[in-house]
Parts: sequence; C-alpha cells; structure tokens
Amino acid sequence: GNSVTQMEGPVTLSEEAFLTINCTYTATGYPSLFWYVQYPGEGLQLLLKATKADDKGSNKGFEATYRKETTSFHLEKGSVQVSDSAVYFCALVNQAGTALIFGKGTTLSVSS
Amino acid sequence: SQTIHQWPATLVQPVGSPLSLECTVEGTSNPNLYWYRQAAGRGLQLLFYSVGIGQISSEVPQNLSASRPQDRQFILSSKKLLLSDSGFYLCAWTTTGREEYGYTFGSGTRLTVV
Repeated sequence: GNSVTQMEGPVTLSEEAFLTINCTYTATGYPSLFWYVQYPGEGLQLLLKATKADDKGSNKGFEATYRKETTSFHLEKGSVQVSDSAVYFCALVNQAGTALIFGKGTTLSVSS
Repeated sequence: SQTIHQWPATLVQPVGSPLSLECTVEGTSNPNLYWYRQAAGRGLQLLFYSVGIGQISSEVPQNLSASRPQDRQFILSSKKLLLSDSGFYLCAWTTTGREEYGYTFGSGTRLTVV
C-alpha cells in the first residue's frame, strides 16, 4: 500500500542554519507529493508540491525535488528563521485520488 | 476565491455526550470533502471522505459518522463520545479530478472529551 516515512525529530536549529527534513515514500505509480506545514494551534497549509518525477517544488525559501529513483522528496531550506518553527508533514495522494496520506510529521524548532 | 470554514474552533465535551462538527466550503461546486483527525503526538488519520451529496466512505471503523446533506457541507457526528475521541479534527476539500494538486484544509476543531 501507500505510505510516507519522514524523520520524526524534533529538529532543533539555530537561526540561519541549513535545514533538511527527509521524506521517502512507497506508492503505486508516480503520485503527486506534498509538504504541508502546521503552525502551533492552526490547521495545515500547503507549503509546496511536485506532480511528476524531477519536478522541484518551492515556496518561501523551501525546496523539495521529486526523486523517482530514490522515492524521496526531502525538504530543504538554506537559512531558517524563528518563524519557521512548526510541524512539517510530507504527504502523497493515492492513485485513486481519494486520500492524502501523511507521514507522522517533523517538529522544527528554530532559536535565535 | 474558495474558502473553507470549520466550527467550532474549540470544544470540551463530557464522555457520552453527542458531537456535531460542521464544515462548509464556499466558492466551488461538487468538491471532494474529507475529515481527518490528529491525535496528540500522532500523525493525521483520514476518517471519512465524500465525493458527492449523500456519498460517504469510511476509512476507519470507529465511534464517529459523517454526513453530507448539501454539496458544500460536511458534518462529523457521534452519538456518544469516548475519551479516545479527543483530538484535533480537520476538514479538507479538493476539486474533483484535480486531487494531484493538493487539498485545502480548514483551521480545525480541537475536541477535548472529559
């Protein structure tokens, strides 16, 4: 079946540090891949997406590249800010399009 | 533009009481609608999805039910709440046939069963 595995963290960084959150997936075919962010007490916001292999999604300084060979979609940011502190979820949509399947989430804490 | 509304934002209910959470979408028609639950320290679990009025698919057998009485309205219910029903409930929507572009989530309802 479909599944998403991501590093659970928590990840603790200093401001301006480089961020990588690993995400790998198991799926039938080539699903669209997503990163969502959840700020404290809020719902989920779509951060970026990639719909086919080798696509790079980017938004607010975050990037992730759809790697078919390694079934990965790692999230990166060159210089994190305190305001980036949140929980980050990697996800894929199943082949039928009936469900968005999430990883367990990675908590990021950035200190100044 | 499309918007999604969920209410209430916070709810504290005693064990054994009923539950009704409502979600509405504006600015679109015939959306796919979803209920997710996020329990403390856990990821997101899909509870129900609906592709049309009166059409509900349940992903996990449990103490909850869902209904879609109107095209853009999705309701999550329970007749008798359990302690284990506590969590953060999120409604989401996507355009039918465009699921690969992602889901849009509401702001959530934090339910505490006491």
